Amino acid sequence: DIVLTQSPGTLSLSPGERATLSCRASQSVSASYLAWYQQKPGQAPRLVIHGASVRATGIPDRFSGSGSGTDFALTISSLEPEDFAVYYCHQYLSLWTFGQGTKVEI
Amino acid sequence: QITLKESGPTLVKPTQTLTLTCTFSGFSLTPSGMGVGWIRQPPRKALEWLALIYWDDDTRYSPSLKTRLTITKDTFKNQVVLTMTNMDPVDTGTYFCTHFTPGALVDSWGQGTLVTVSS
Repeated sequence: DIVLTQSPGTLSLSPGERATLSCRASQSVSASYLAWYQQKPGQAPRLVIHGASVRATGIPDRFSGSGSGTDFALTISSLEPEDFAVYYCHQYLSLWTFGQGTKVEI
Repeated sequence: QITLKESGPTLVKPTQTLTLTCTFSGFSLTPSGMGVGWIRQPPRKALEWLALIYWDDDTRYSPSLKTRLTITKDTFKNQVVLTMTNMDPVDTGTYFCTHFTPGALVDSWGQGTLVTVSS
């Protein structure tokens, strides 16, 4: 299995600040098969980034993804109140696995 | 527009078998529609992938749960069924049905259904 490790577990920031979330894979993942999801309480996850750096439809450009190989990142350039949520990275190259999540809190 | 909805029991007893149905619209299980996967989430915990089925009946299972899971589809009814045997309280959680694209990307989720395992 490809294990995804996200850090930090919790990110405490204020609106307007920059958030950088990390996702490290136990083995190389083609960037084409790395995605990020946002989940708010009581809701299903929503696709934010796929192919490591491609914003999903309707996702604002303050969200950006980067990385290759085993190290990937999700950056939110300036946090809006609606961005506070849990974010999961997900690889779909070899079976499917998810990271344990990073909570972005105010 | 793709929609998916999970249905099934909200409460099962330990050792029982869970059967969940995903009913979908907005796509068909064809080479262009690709497939359906199941993902679960224990309360206040992370997402965990369970199983997926491709349009051609090819299936994949989580290695840690493989012996307990079966996923099947009914193309004409636009449904996918997941069964999980020998349920345990640790299996309590929200079970999501998802659509994945030909690139295996999960792009749509159902609302999820909460399943509680308790005697």
